[in-house]
Amino acid sequence: EPEVTQTPSHQVTQMGQEVILRCVPISNHLYFYWYRQILGQKVEFLVSFYNNEISEKSEIFDDQFSVERPDGSNFTLKIRSTKLEDSAMYFCASSELGGRREKLFFGSGTQLSVL
Amino acid sequence: AQKITQTQPGMFVQEKEAVTLDCTYDTSDPSYGLFWYKQPSSGEMIFLIYQGSYDQQNATEGRYSLNFQKARKSANLVISASQLGDSAMYFCAMREGTNQAGTALIFGKGTTLSVSS
Repeated sequence: EPEVTQTPSHQVTQMGQEVILRCVPISNHLYFYWYRQILGQKVEFLVSFYNNEISEKSEIFDDQFSVERPDGSNFTLKIRSTKLEDSAMYFCASSELGGRREKLFFGSGTQLSVL
Repeated sequence: AQKITQTQPGMFVQEKEAVTLDCTYDTSDPSYGLFWYKQPSSGEMIFLIYQGSYDQQNATEGRYSLNFQKARKSANLVISASQLGDSAMYFCAMREGTNQAGTALIFGKGTTLSVSS
């Protein structure tokens, strides 16, 4: 079964450094998403992306965050200057279409630790 | 305001018993979809079941069923014949909007289910 792939599985960085989290969504999917989950807590929406632009973002997704689809397969989340509170599991997800019925397929996540 | 409320932080059940995980939601949009996801200790998010706001019947997928009570805005997940492998965190989630354009999928805080033998 096709799956969403995320790399790396773990990333450790120093506060203030830039990080890029990478995702390869399912190939025929058109909608892409980033979520984050602070240890053991709820899964929080960050941003959705369609047709090479952001379609929706949460208040968490401030100017420190950006997303990009640099080629036909990758979808990236960049955090410009990491803070301690950015430590979390980051999930990429994709869906075939964007309607209310569409289920999201999630990757296995990237655990980001900011020291 | 919380759109999805899961009031049970933890639930315990014996193997082979049924268990109900509660979920209530808040929306003024008549078109929405409700989802349940399972997150085992390995961390991945696994889709379990979907219920649309206009669906006349409660959704079922194998041992999972959704007790959808629209007037009460509740969408409880029922797991029949619990298995040890059902031990996990369970998240209720909702998307509003049309079949063509939905909002972001928003999650509740989750319920941890522990199944014992």
